[in-house]
Amino acid sequence: GAGVSQSPRYKVAKRGQDVALRCDPISGHVSLFWYQQALGQGPEFLTYFQNEAQLDKSGLPSDRFFAERPEGSVSTLKIQRTQQEDSAVYLCASSLGSINSPLHFGNGTRLTVT
Amino acid sequence: SQQGEEDPQALSIQEGENATMNCSYKTSINNLQWYRQNSGRGLVHLILIRSNEREKHSGRLRVTLDTSKKSSSLLITASRAADTASYFCATVPGGSGNTGKLIFGQGTTLQVKP
Repeated sequence: GAGVSQSPRYKVAKRGQDVALRCDPISGHVSLFWYQQALGQGPEFLTYFQNEAQLDKSGLPSDRFFAERPEGSVSTLKIQRTQQEDSAVYLCASSLGSINSPLHFGNGTRLTVT
Repeated sequence: SQQGEEDPQALSIQEGENATMNCSYKTSINNLQWYRQNSGRGLVHLILIRSNEREKHSGRLRVTLDTSKKSSSLLITASRAADTASYFCATVPGGSGNTGKLIFGQGTTLQVKP
């Protein structure tokens, strides 16, 4: 596709439920990033993939958060046993992979945990 | 955690006026980038300035970088109502390998009144 695609656009989950958020990056982009953005704040880094390898997961807030990119293309961010503090917009971005490559962002998934 | 601070947090101007936003950061950097985010959407890359550059232009945008003060500014000239958005600076920290991982500031909300 022309850009980074994320689904669903909105997700409402009851506390304790598991959720899975999908990211379809730009074709050929080596790098894929997940960010979490709270209301009125800047995006906070969660994790980074180079192709299928997860090279940095230092930003994942707890072991309830898990991300994968098994074939080096589509990525899934999974949150187990959701809690209210997980409510945020989850942004996915991809890039060509060099240090000076700009990131291309999807429109995000807004997660609300009730 | 956020890399630094942006100033002002909010800015309201009339169409046709210039808008200046400032960004400070804490660590050494490989490059600094500015992104724009419209309400409810993903971030869009505007401009990238490398650590050995001092000024860069793109259309109505002018970015400066002062690595001795660890600060950058974004100037939007002849603003339009369509420039209304949040603007974020983001840095690729030095020593981050070749990942291109971005650390974002808190953002400046710009309102341009017609």
